[in-house]
Amino acid sequence: DAGVTQSPTHLIKTRGQHVTLRCSPISGHKSVSWYQQVLGQGPQFIFQYYEKEERGRGNFPDRFSARQFPNYSSELNVNALLLGDSALYLCASSIGQANSPLHFGNGTRLTVT
Amino acid sequence: GDSVTQMEGPVTLSEEAFLTINCTYTATGYPSLFWYVQYPGEGLQLLLKATKADDKGSNKGFEATYRKETTSFHLEKGSVQVSDSAVYFCALINAGNNRKLIWGLGTSLAVNP
Repeated sequence: DAGVTQSPTHLIKTRGQHVTLRCSPISGHKSVSWYQQVLGQGPQFIFQYYEKEERGRGNFPDRFSARQFPNYSSELNVNALLLGDSALYLCASSIGQANSPLHFGNGTRLTVT
Repeated sequence: GDSVTQMEGPVTLSEEAFLTINCTYTATGYPSLFWYVQYPGEGLQLLLKATKADDKGSNKGFEATYRKETTSFHLEKGSVQVSDSAVYFCALINAGNNRKLIWGLGTSLAVNP
């Protein structure tokens, strides 16, 4: 079975631009979460979606938005990019039941210049 | 709020040495506990999990036991290999906390031949 897949794997953008990151969850998983990991630090929670509804939001500005589609895939959008948005963006999926583990993709490495 | 504390790294060991990475947590209710591993340049992989008190998670020679009385989930391996060099993250998920993963800061492990 395919794991969580993310695209693209690497991306270079300039300040002020916007970016869309994509994630396909493991088949059968209905919950998708997004995390930001800055180099040398642990992941920071951005969003969680379950059955196409936002179920949780971390401490990120409104420039960050996301959505989940009927097939449970998800997009993370970031507008007006800043240098500080450079990070590894990780998508994780789970079956959505209480305390079920999250399975991560390999991430999208975003560099903002 | 919920939190995870893990020992600071980096940890440097020789091949075949015994490994312990300490992890303690603070949480209400009955969280599930996880260890994730991140190899250089890669995403996060679920290493092992435990969902209730006294559960022992194990995988690839690594073990951790959910100790509610000491609120701990220490990671151990009897004989490390060079290929175990990575960053290890302790994390918890709590159904009462929007199901977001709460992470420790990560412990970098380097195993020398």
